[in-house]
Amino acid sequence: AAGVIQSPRHLIKEKRETATLKCYPIPRHDTVYWYQQGPGQDPQFLISFYEKMQSDKGSIPDRFSAQQFSDYHSELNMSSLELGDSALYFCASSPGVSKNIQYFGAGTRLSVL
Amino acid sequence: GENVEQHPSTLSVQEGDSAVIKCTYSDSASNYFPWYKQELGKRPQLIIDIRSNVGEKKDQRIAVTLNKTAKHFSLHITETQPEDSAVYFCAASKLTNAGKSTFGDGTTLTVKP
Repeated sequence: AAGVIQSPRHLIKEKRETATLKCYPIPRHDTVYWYQQGPGQDPQFLISFYEKMQSDKGSIPDRFSAQQFSDYHSELNMSSLELGDSALYFCASSPGVSKNIQYFGAGTRLSVL
Repeated sequence: GENVEQHPSTLSVQEGDSAVIKCTYSDSASNYFPWYKQELGKRPQLIIDIRSNVGEKKDQRIAVTLNKTAKHFSLHITETQPEDSAVYFCAASKLTNAGKSTFGDGTTLTVKP
């Protein structure tokens, strides 16, 4: 069965650079969530989209933005990267509408040097 | 917002013993409680979930109980095996469009052979 696809799997950036993370949800899933997980920490909710509209917002810095496109894939854009942004970034998708069981992608490991 | 507390933070058991992880939540409107297993560097994987209209759910060696009045829920693993060793996260969310999950801090379970 198709799963949530995230790209790239690994990303190395310098401070103050920008990064774009991509997420392709499971087919027919209309809801996407982004989470940030630091070492030894639980996943922290960043932002979610339902039917291409932002649905909920968590602890996402103003330097980050995200959107969901017409094909339901989502991109997380990160600017002015800081050392503290180094983390695993997970995307999850769900069928939405009272079925928000979230299926996680394999994650993107971002290292900011 | 929702606050989820999880205990214990670490748990070590002998193979074949049972393991119990407990979580409490604060938002009485939360109605969906998934449990995730995460191995080092990998994605959180949903292992079992429970909705607020159910008090208990079982899937082979794994069971989850929910006490809505007390706002707590627990994961029970019986006949533990070394491959059960991982970090386990509880979460709470609302079954609405793009309902974000609030995670507990995680429990590192070690099953000794």
